Order: sequence, then structure tokens, then C-alpha cells
Amino acid sequence: AQKITQTQPGMFVQEKEAVTLDCTYDTSDQSYGLFWYKQPSSGEMIFLIYQGSYDEQNATEGRYSLNFQKARKSANLVISASQLGDSAMYFCAMREDLISNFGNEKLTFGTGTRLTIIP
Amino acid sequence: GAVVSQHPSWVICKSGTSVKIECRSLDFQATTMFWYRQFPKQSLMLMATSNEGSKATYEQGVEKDKFLINHASLTLSTLTVTSAHPEDSSFYICSARDKGEMYYGYTFGSGTRLTVV
Repeated sequence: AQKITQTQPGMFVQEKEAVTLDCTYDTSDQSYGLFWYKQPSSGEMIFLIYQGSYDEQNATEGRYSLNFQKARKSANLVISASQLGDSAMYFCAMREDLISNFGNEKLTFGTGTRLTIIP
Repeated sequence: GAVVSQHPSWVICKSGTSVKIECRSLDFQATTMFWYRQFPKQSLMLMATSNEGSKATYEQGVEKDKFLINHASLTLSTLTVTSAHPEDSSFYICSARDKGEMYYGYTFGSGTRLTVV
């Protein structure tokens, strides 16, 4: 089974509208972390936001917020007031077993969503 | 903020030759570095995890003799693609784990686009 599932291969959104990128995950660990990264066409991976499994509040970073629904194993990224510069690939990632595997925790990535902002 | 410098950003090599890719953490100590491979329009696939001073741990299906990883210091890890073939053409990207960050702090390099002709 896929550990990280992103069901939207591509999305087109009008500039200034809000957009939600879906991410569901699968883990049996109690302690884990969820990440969102942006990858523009140049290739670098830009960290956007992080949510820990024990965090009770949804993470927010500027225009980015993470809609964390633990029971549904969902970690959707919400971008408010989209801009043309938001056009990129977006990856959801998970790190499992934070406690016992500290220092060697690898990230598992979803397949990504290509977001295109339309002027 | 934390910066990881990856070089070269792109390289073209002949089939059968070896290529070395460097990944340096510029302003922090990277106890652990990760090497990923990304095919066009696909996700990042972890190749190996390297810890400073020890042998790398390779993911299943990754040939350790073909993809040599060296993590000799807390700021430098290298990936050498030996006897490269056209099917090794891909985007390779490293990620360094900041020793001082408890829960997150993965900083990625800018990637290396390898083309084997």
C-alpha cells in the first residue's frame, strides 16, 4: 500500500483563489511528521510546512496552512490567495517512527500534484 | 537559514564513465544525508541514507556498487555513479539533516541533472 497518496496529478486554479491539495497517508506509528514541499521547474525542493502527529493545532506558515485530520489520515495543504509564482509541483511527504529512529528518519514522498495558476 | 550546496547542477557524460556529485551543508552540521533520484514527472525515490563516518544504507533495488556514497565529514557527502549508462540519466538530489533540529530540518540541494550519452 502507498504510504503517501496524492490523488490530484494536476490542478488549474484562477489567480487569487484558494486551493487545496490533497494528501492522505498510511502509517501504524503513533509518532510521525508530515511535510509539504514545493518544486518549481528549476528542481529545488522548497520546504513549505510541517505538522507533527502530536500537534493539536493545524500548522500555518503565511499563506500556507495544513488541514490535519488525524483520524482520517489526511494532511491537505491549503494555499490562500494563490499567486502566479505558486505554479509548481507540490509533494506531500511523511517521516515515520520519530522516537526510536531519531537521526535516521527518511522521508517518503507522494507522487505530487502539478499546480498551475491561471492569470 | 540552512543551505545545502549541490554540484554540479547538470552534467553530461559518456556511457561507461563515472560521475561524482557533491553535496555540502554550508552552515550546519549534517549528521545524516539522503540521496534521491527523480525521473521526469515522477516523485523522489530514496536511494540511500548516509551517516557521517559509516557506510551508507541503500534502499532495496539500488546497486551499492554502482552508486557509491561517501560521507566523510559532517558537511560533505558524495554520490559517484560508476560506469554510467543512459538509463542512469535522471535528476539526483541530496538532502541533509540538520543535527540541531529535533523534528524537522531537511534541507535539499538544488539537484543535479545527469545525462548519459
